[in-house]
Amino acid sequence: GAVVSQHPSRVICKSGTSVKIECRSLDFQATTMFWYRQFPKQSLMLMATSNEGSKATYEQGVEKDKFLINHASLTLSTLTVTSAHPEDSSFYICSAGASGRANEQFFGPGTRLTVL
Amino acid sequence: AQSVTQLDSHVSVSEGTPVLLRCNYSSSYSPSLFWYVQHPNKGLQLLLKYTSAATLVKGINGFEAEFKKSETSFHLTKPSAHMSDAAEYFCVVSDSWGTYKYIFGTGTRLKVLA
Repeated sequence: GAVVSQHPSRVICKSGTSVKIECRSLDFQATTMFWYRQFPKQSLMLMATSNEGSKATYEQGVEKDKFLINHASLTLSTLTVTSAHPEDSSFYICSAGASGRANEQFFGPGTRLTVL
Repeated sequence: AQSVTQLDSHVSVSEGTPVLLRCNYSSSYSPSLFWYVQHPNKGLQLLLKYTSAATLVKGINGFEAEFKKSETSFHLTKPSAHMSDAAEYFCVVSDSWGTYKYIFGTGTRLKVLA
């Protein structure tokens, strides 16, 4: 149980376009979801925390207008990278917290974004 | 405030020899501690977790870790390394009950030599 999926697994886009990444909890309700960014050979950096039906809480230094997060249901959160540029190329990973499994996050497989 | 320190950025071992990946934490409250493994271009896989039950935690693939409060440590061990263990390992602390927020270590890259 506690499976999280991400779609797409890989995306290549042109500079200036927007890209949407979906994160779904497949067999549980995710009251809280997290979005991370990971640069090559580095640890995960938390970008934002979202609770269903509420606005996301962004970490310091993360541009809210560039990385739009929506958590419209208990099983789906989306990250939209707006007006993407090459420096936005990265590995994006989502995770979810399940009610009753306090303090544990369940991770998606990640999305590799390449901006040309 | 909580924090976690992985003492080695790289560890190399020969196949069949023991593995030790070190992790120290700092927490104001009773922490939950996790070890995750990440293979190249993959997501994170949970190896094991400590959530205030037994201090010696057994995980998947023969890994285990011991929670030592007096030393604020949660080192990951395996008796015999396998080539497939080569990956990045992250130690994580979470001690804000109900918020699920994780603090990640910087990671340890394990290399297994044939």
